[in-house]
Amino acid sequence: DTEVTQTPKHLVMGMTNKKSLKCEQHMGHRAMYWYKQKAKKPPELMFVYSYEKLSINESVPSRFSPECPNSSLLNLHLHALQPEDSALYLCASSKGGLYNEQFFGPGTRLTVL
Amino acid sequence: AQSVAQPEDQVNVAEGNPLTVKCTYSVSGNPYLFWYVQYPNRGLQFLLKYITGDNLVKGSYGFEAEFNKSQTSFHLKKPSALVSDSALYFCAVRDARNSGNTPLVFGKGTRLSVIA
Repeated sequence: DTEVTQTPKHLVMGMTNKKSLKCEQHMGHRAMYWYKQKAKKPPELMFVYSYEKLSINESVPSRFSPECPNSSLLNLHLHALQPEDSALYLCASSKGGLYNEQFFGPGTRLTVL
Repeated sequence: AQSVAQPEDQVNVAEGNPLTVKCTYSVSGNPYLFWYVQYPNRGLQFLLKYITGDNLVKGSYGFEAEFNKSQTSFHLKKPSALVSDSALYFCAVRDARNSGNTPLVFGKGTRLSVIA
């Protein structure tokens, strides 16, 4: 299995809602990532988990809360988001290390009303 | 600091013609270089990477890239373009001197349009 899956594919939420994005991989990868991507722009790194521990937080607002329940799963909890948070949220995984490529999921298209 | 430049926002090429998507990089140490492709409303797909060794790297879907250390470039090429190659292409780099968790730095992307 060389696939990263993400659910849901689309999410529409109000600014007072709480929702979660889910990501799963079964490639035995030990590094997992959350990215935010605006239209026609490169992905922006948000968080990195290495061996289920948060290793990088790119100064992301606290309304985004990551969680890594186990080595195969990665969640992103959303609360009190702003309309400017509307974007494609991508999950990725890799074996870790500098020279290993990242495998990306198809993304969750988030719209905040 | 590490950085990547993709000088062209858009590249247009006729089907069957060769294509080139340009990428230059800047790192302090040796570079690890990657190319990804993104189709509309999809995640990024890995195409190929340069770590060390042969300067010509072959990847998925007939793509290849040539590492040129003197010109600090890693241009993506394909001998004969297909309409289905139309997508957004990202070059990315990591500095081999950094630690294993150093983020991957992406270029701004180049939109490739192959015209039938």
